[in-house]
Amino acid sequence: GAGVSQSPRYKVTKRGQDVTLRCDPISSHATLYWYQQALGQGPEFLTYFNYEAQPDKSGLPSDRFSAERPEGSISTLTIQRTEQRDSAMYRCASSLVTGSGGETQYFGPGTRLLVL
Amino acid sequence: GESVGLHLPTLSVQEGDNSIINCAYSNSASDYFIWYKQESGKGPQFIIDIRSNMDKRQGQRVTVLLNKTVKHLSLQIAATQPGDSAVYFCAENEDSNYKLTFGKGTLLTVNP
Repeated sequence: GAGVSQSPRYKVTKRGQDVTLRCDPISSHATLYWYQQALGQGPEFLTYFNYEAQPDKSGLPSDRFSAERPEGSISTLTIQRTEQRDSAMYRCASSLVTGSGGETQYFGPGTRLLVL
Repeated sequence: GESVGLHLPTLSVQEGDNSIINCAYSNSASDYFIWYKQESGKGPQFIIDIRSNMDKRQGQRVTVLLNKTVKHLSLQIAATQPGDSAVYFCAENEDSNYKLTFGKGTLLTVNP
């Protein structure tokens, strides 16, 4: 596609519910990243994929967070048993080359999650 | 849209003036640096990048300067326009590390 797309753009959920966020990267981009962005802050790294492999998920805040990219293209980020502190903007980014660093990451519009 | 003006350093300039946004980075091993522009309600948008083997790089109306000695990065915007109003983030990356580490954003407001 022309750019990174994410859905839904906004998600309101009740505490304890599970949510799944979706990211569709730029076509042919090998690497996909998930970030969490708090209001007024820069994005903070959560995890990334090289195609379908997930070499690092050390940035995920807890084991309630998981991400998948089963076919090396679209990715989902799932938060189980949501808590109010999970409320944030979740951003996806992709880059052309496998994640060896030093490559431009292009960001999507994000999903704003609000946990009541 | 998002309100990103909370507790952010701010820079207010007149339309047509030049703007300089500064950033201090922390990791001396970082060798790739990027400036992103984030408008209200949108994701970070790539502006310009620079690698550590350079100290200056120019784009269209923008220049990035890198001082590795003091770990300082700056973004210069020439003839600032109202459309330049946004939050600007610097980000750093090690060549062997896929993670981008973002600095504290700066809110640029351009007055017509």
